[in-house]
Amino acid sequence: DVKVTQSSRYLVKRTGEKVFLECVQDMDHENMFWYRQDPGLGLRLIYFSYDVKMKEKGDIPEGYSVSREKKERFSLILESASTNQTSMYLCASSADRDGNSPLHFGNGTRLTVT
Amino acid sequence: AQKITQTQPGMFVQEKEAVTLDCTYDTSDPSYGLFWYKQPSSGEMIFLIYQGSYDQQNATEGRYSLNFQKARKSANLVISASQLGDSAMYFCAMRDGYNTDKLIFGTGTRLQVFP
Repeated sequence: DVKVTQSSRYLVKRTGEKVFLECVQDMDHENMFWYRQDPGLGLRLIYFSYDVKMKEKGDIPEGYSVSREKKERFSLILESASTNQTSMYLCASSADRDGNSPLHFGNGTRLTVT
Repeated sequence: AQKITQTQPGMFVQEKEAVTLDCTYDTSDPSYGLFWYKQPSSGEMIFLIYQGSYDQQNATEGRYSLNFQKARKSANLVISASQLGDSAMYFCAMRDGYNTDKLIFGTGTRLQVFP
């Protein structure tokens, strides 16, 4: 079974802090994704990566950056956290780009910025 | 641009009954894929079922089936014989373009199963 692990279940940070959300997958998947989930808005794609050292912007990249130094790890970085970044963050991975493969998600990190 | 619409913010169903969760989509791509995910209160997103636009038959997985009506651009999820454990958020999603695994999601439907 694919396992996607997000390092924190809950995080509370202060405005202006630099925040790192870590995600690791154990199935040698090429593709990794970061989504945020807000009530009434569903899931929105922040960034994704199809290979090591590669990253592409999703639909809402502003205020975020990512890092993929190793294939299994994809980090989401909030350079200077703001209260409007309080949200549930979900990491996902997939095996290939044929479009038929489901995304496998981690359990999510609920981030509160005060 | 692709778009997914789920018009039911919440649904109630009695245990052992069937329930249909609605999903409509918009795309100009001739080839596309549609997914349904379940999110219990624990937060994990669980993949339920997939339907490809060229699949001849509606997808089924156990108690889940997808009522795919291509002309109407709808991909409704049918859950038969509902169980209390089916209470969760349900998201419809679509592949966001060609040769990609990126998904765009609807806003979700919260299903509550009561005894």
